[in-house]
Amino acid sequence: SQELEQSPQSLIVQEGKNLTINCTSSKTLYGLYWYKQKYGEGLIFLMMLQKGGEEKSHEKITAKLDEKKQQSSLHITASQPSHAGIYLCGADIPVFSGTYKYIFGTGTRLKVLA
Amino acid sequence: DAGVTQSPTHLIKTRGQQVTLRCSPKSGHDTVSWYQQALGQGPQFIFQYYEEEERQRGNFPDRFSGHQFPNYSSELNVNALLLGDSALYLCASSFGFRLNTGELFFGEGSRLTVL
Repeated sequence: SQELEQSPQSLIVQEGKNLTINCTSSKTLYGLYWYKQKYGEGLIFLMMLQKGGEEKSHEKITAKLDEKKQQSSLHITASQPSHAGIYLCGADIPVFSGTYKYIFGTGTRLKVLA
Repeated sequence: DAGVTQSPTHLIKTRGQQVTLRCSPKSGHDTVSWYQQALGQGPQFIFQYYEEEERQRGNFPDRFSGHQFPNYSSELNVNALLLGDSALYLCASSFGFRLNTGELFFGEGSRLTVL
């Protein structure tokens, strides 16, 4: 089973519309990261959230981490074609004895229609 | 400031062959992680190298091996290639091996196709 679930899997929106992508874990996250990937390319870091209730914004993208640190949302306001790509959440999940593993969600494919 | 660089960008192999992928970390970084990303999937962690040693390993068979050199660059080797090994292989670098990873910087990836 996937430890980090993302929804929706894909999203097509009209330019100018707002959208939200969710990332959910059954375990407490000790660092939640959002990345953007253009098709077939490397990942570009967007934001990192570490504290419960934390919210960060960069340009038209806002990411939040819930108080329990098990769910994060990425919100894009007034989407543009340049926002198109695959959005991935990544997280540090505790493994044992204070060690962590870094995992990714399944990704959300975003297409923005001009 | 050079970011993470990977080579080759694309390659085609046949089943049973061996492949070596290379990664140079971002300047100032000393930790390298490798990920396999199958089409339509999120990246899956293969292993992480720090101080020339494998520090963590994901659920990948021994056919997947790696190496880190004194200059922090790294190689990923895959032996006895299977069709299912076709994927984008991503290298990520960070500074200092820590118990929690922090921000990773990714290369553009090496696209491997196994025929």
